[in-house]
Amino acid sequence: AQTVTQSQPEMSVQEAETVTLSCTYDTSESDYYLFWYKQPPSRQMILVIRQEAYKQQNATENRFSVNFQKAAKSFSLKISDSQLGDAAMYFCAYRSGSGGSNYKLTFGKGTLLTVNP
Amino acid sequence: NAGVMQNPRHLVRRRGQEARLRCSPMKGHSHVYWYRQLPEEGLKFMVYLQKENIIDESGMPKERFSAEFPKEGPSILRIQQVVRGDSAAYFCASSPGDTAYEQYFGPGTRLTVT
Repeated sequence: AQTVTQSQPEMSVQEAETVTLSCTYDTSESDYYLFWYKQPPSRQMILVIRQEAYKQQNATENRFSVNFQKAAKSFSLKISDSQLGDAAMYFCAYRSGSGGSNYKLTFGKGTLLTVNP
Repeated sequence: NAGVMQNPRHLVRRRGQEARLRCSPMKGHSHVYWYRQLPEEGLKFMVYLQKENIIDESGMPKERFSAEFPKEGPSILRIQQVVRGDSAAYFCASSPGDTAYEQYFGPGTRLTVT
């Protein structure tokens, strides 16, 4: 079974600074997808960014980018120019790309990000 | 285009009562997933349904929990004889098909068992 580990329960960053959230995963599959979701105090799950394992290029979405290291099974999220609205719980998630269970998302336990003004 | 709708947003039940959680997927989506988030935890998969079919319920407790997605109307997650350990946030997600890899989440239902 796949597992997702987020080793940082909490992180803090100063407004306008850069922060990196860590995520590692364990899988024997070669085809899969990785995601970062944001959960603000409203508890709504918001997709931040996704990465297809077959793509070597790291995904970017405005101020959000990932460092995808397939061999190391590492998928970190970098937030540049942090804003107060970025404060939230961030979850890393894995989804198989093939096979019978390729719809389940497996989540890490999350990292609580605080942005200090 | 309305997103995934869940109701109620908050539900309080006494031990032994039944809880019914509803989920209306996004327009055009025929695949629904339920996840549970316990305090201080990430979301955990419970069940995957298509219209009138349960595809995978491997993440759902064998007793007291059931789910359906009828031809008409919302998907329902039903918890019978609730216990304190059922207190959690329950999220529904939908997608247009099993080949689409993005799931769109609803705002969740927070269930509190007193």
